[in-house]
Amino acid sequence: QVQLVQSGAEVRKPGASVKVSCKASGYTFTSSDINWVRQATGQGLEWMGWMNPKSGNTGYAQKFQGRVTMTRNTSISTAYMELSSLRSEDTAVYYCARAVGGPKIYYFDYWGQGNLVTVSS
Amino acid sequence: QSVLTQPPSVSGAPGQRVTISCTGSSSNIGAGYDVHWYQQLPGTAPKLLIYVNNNRPSGVPDRFSGSKSVTSAYLTITGLQAEDEADYYCQSYDFRLSGSRVFGGGTKLTVL
Repeated sequence: QVQLVQSGAEVRKPGASVKVSCKASGYTFTSSDINWVRQATGQGLEWMGWMNPKSGNTGYAQKFQGRVTMTRNTSISTAYMELSSLRSEDTAVYYCARAVGGPKIYYFDYWGQGNLVTVSS
Repeated sequence: QSVLTQPPSVSGAPGQRVTISCTGSSSNIGAGYDVHWYQQLPGTAPKLLIYVNNNRPSGVPDRFSGSKSVTSAYLTITGLQAEDEADYYCQSYDFRLSGSRVFGGGTKLTVL
């Protein structure tokens, strides 16, 4: 069965970076985009960007351009999301999600369990 | 402000029917992009509930249905059950936002 397993909770100081991982299993890792979505406590879902594991191509939400980097290691079927210049407003649960479809039909059929990233001095 | 607008909350008694709206614009739903819905139970990751406007993944009860009109989409839940109490999010694509996937702000469903 498809599973996305994320790394554990992280605590960082303002200005630092964090890199979270998402290990895929149960399907061919390079066959589907991985997206990252975050959710601050008590808030809604916020899409951050996508990565194609086969090509390494990425696309980021305008809000995160310049601060986020999405990469992958195909040999271990793992996707990574690194966010830099952290501020307190980046405190959130970060989810990876597998995407289905192309440009007009694009949805998330499997999600990781989420990583809490806390930014605090 | 979310690109897709949902009511912050809806409620209904067990057995009743509720509908959650998701209102977009000419750059997303109105441009023909499909709408998908997710259910997020407290303390858990979102789960795909409806895809491509009105399709249910395997395992989702047929009490859940979706529809779409010009610039809006709707999630309808019939025969409300206590376990349906959750947050619900719509999601689509917006061509004005550089290939952005966009979510609605979410709707909290309370089963009275």
